[in-house]
Amino acid sequence: GEKVEQHESTLSVREGDSAVINCTYTDTASSYFPWYKQEAGKSLHFVIDIRSNVDRKQSQRLIVLLDKKAKRFSLHITATQPEDSAIYFCAASIRNNRIFFGDGTQLVVKP
Amino acid sequence: DMKVTQMPRYLIKRMGENVLLECGQDMSHETMYWYRQDPGLGLQLIYISYDVDSNSEGDIPKGYRVSRKKREHFSLILDSAKTNQTSVYFCASSLSSWGSYEQYFGPGTRLTVL
Repeated sequence: GEKVEQHESTLSVREGDSAVINCTYTDTASSYFPWYKQEAGKSLHFVIDIRSNVDRKQSQRLIVLLDKKAKRFSLHITATQPEDSAIYFCAASIRNNRIFFGDGTQLVVKP
Repeated sequence: DMKVTQMPRYLIKRMGENVLLECGQDMSHETMYWYRQDPGLGLQLIYISYDVDSNSEGDIPKGYRVSRKKREHFSLILDSAKTNQTSVYFCASSLSSWGSYEQYFGPGTRLTVL
């Protein structure tokens, strides 16, 4: 089955800087790549996604890039704020809305 | 108001007892999921349900079973709980299995098996 790897288990940035979280996947049939955020002690919620028919998507300060040839996708958070501190999960989906999660990246935004 | 609810939020059981975790959603979503989250292991899919009485095993179904008799409710049952089933359990739902859609997560149930 599909395997999703998140390269950074932890990431620390200064407030106002950009943060980049990188993920790779194994199955070329994957076509949907969502990202989820989990704040400390809370549940997960959806933040942004990208489908395989595009290579870039932006929602306010969040940018997702997809490189299908390299089977790599990334989340860029610009102008980071303390409230961006959380665990971010990348995921990939082939079909039937079954998605495969990475193990998460702990982002710390320092003031 | 789009919402996924889980009951109970916290539960302590003794090894060998039966456990029932309940999940509800008010969005008429077709697909529902049960995950468990352990430190350093991310999210592991236990079961996925594509609609009423249409359930499939995920990656770690052993020791668990599910029931979905109404579209808005999805239950996770642990028959004779084990200490290694201590975890945080999340329920989620998404619009449909036809295509890919974001998942809405419940608040989680923290289960401790002594």
